Amino acid sequence: EIVLTQSPGTLSLSPGERATLSCRASQSVSSSYLVWYQQKPGQAPRLLIYAASSRATGIPDRFSGSGSGTDFTLTISRLEPEDFAVYYCQQCGSSPRTFGQGTKLEI
Amino acid sequence: EVQLVESGGGLVQPGGSLRLSCAAAGLTVSSYEMNWVRQAPGKGLELVSYISRSGSTLNYADSVKGRFTISRDNAKNSLYLQMSGLRAEDTATYYCACGTWGPLDYWGQGALVTVSS
Repeated sequence: EIVLTQSPGTLSLSPGERATLSCRASQSVSSSYLVWYQQKPGQAPRLLIYAASSRATGIPDRFSGSGSGTDFTLTISRLEPEDFAVYYCQQCGSSPRTFGQGTKLEI
Repeated sequence: EVQLVESGGGLVQPGGSLRLSCAAAGLTVSSYEMNWVRQAPGKGLELVSYISRSGSTLNYADSVKGRFTISRDNAKNSLYLQMSGLRAEDTATYYCACGTWGPLDYWGQGALVTVSS
């Protein structure tokens, strides 16, 4: 099983700042199968990034993904108030398809 | 517009059974990889079960293997999760989610399952 470790657990920033979230895998993950989701309180997760760096439909370009192998990053260039949420990475290339434990982005 | 609507959640005693349903609109379940993802209160996401587009591949998390069964009814365009031998640690919001090849593009609003005496 591929274990995904996200860091930091909590990130405290202000609107307008840049956020960098990390997802590290216990073994190599094909970039095609690394995904990021955003979840706001009381809501279902929403797909943000797929294939490590491709934005899902309707996702603003302030969100970007990068990385390969075992190290992946989600960057939010200029935080908007609505970006404060929990972010999860997931690998969907090998079974079981595992999630990271999440990074909470808070004001 | 795509909609996934879960139903069947509720309070059940330890050892009991429950069947979750997910009714799909705006997409055909047989054209998607269908999944059940759960989230315990205040915790992260766990992929519980998966059924491939063909229906030939079924996967389960080790934590539910032998107790949960995923199924799909193409005629009703619906996904199901039969849960038995429920434990307190199965308490969670259960989401129906799907995608065409891996990433979960669409999610339902979730169904809360509480296992308690």
